[in-house]
Amino acid sequence: EIVLTQSPGTLSLSPGERATLSCRASQSVSSSYLAWYQQKPGQAPRLLIYGASSRATGIPDRFSGSGSGTDFTLTISRLEPEDFAVYYCQQYGSSPVTFGGGTKVEIK
Amino acid sequence: EVQLVESGGGLVQPGGSLRLSCAASGFTFSSYWMSWVRQAPGKGLEWVANIKQDGSEKYYVDSVKGRFTISRDNAKNSLYLQMNSLRAEDTAVYYCARDLSIDYGDLGEFDYWGQGTLVTVSS
Repeated sequence: EIVLTQSPGTLSLSPGERATLSCRASQSVSSSYLAWYQQKPGQAPRLLIYGASSRATGIPDRFSGSGSGTDFTLTISRLEPEDFAVYYCQQYGSSPVTFGGGTKVEIK
Repeated sequence: EVQLVESGGGLVQPGGSLRLSCAASGFTFSSYWMSWVRQAPGKGLEWVANIKQDGSEKYYVDSVKGRFTISRDNAKNSLYLQMNSLRAEDTAVYYCARDLSIDYGDLGEFDYWGQGTLVTVSS
């Protein structure tokens, strides 16, 4: 199975700053089948990005995804107060689908 | 509006059984794969199982094979997870999610999630 490693574990930033989250796969993710989810405390995950770079319905354009092969990035261009949360990457290029361990974006 | 509502969680002793349900609405349930994903307290996400639109294909993570069974009733717009021989490590919030897989060789992301139901396995 493909292991996804997210870094950093925690990112401490201020509103308005740029956030860059990394997701590295143990082997190449086929067809860039990589998604990103946001999860707030007590809530279900919310799909942000699929296909490595396509925004899901209703997701603001301050969220962007990039990458291919084994290295992927989620960028939040300017952090809004509602963006402080935990972010997970997921690969669905091979079975079983797997998730990274998450990056917590916290208020500095 | 797409809605997924899980139920059936609770406290169960090790070795016990529990059946989770997920009621779907706001979309054509029979047209989508569906998945169960779990999250242990304070931990990350783990895919558990998924099922094809007509129930003819089912897949599981290795740690639950032989113990959990996923099923669906398209007439009732419902997804189920029968969990037997439960272990402490199965303690988690269980989410049902709409799965955008096309087939086993063309998996998909999860675009809608329920709010989850907590399963606690403890004596």
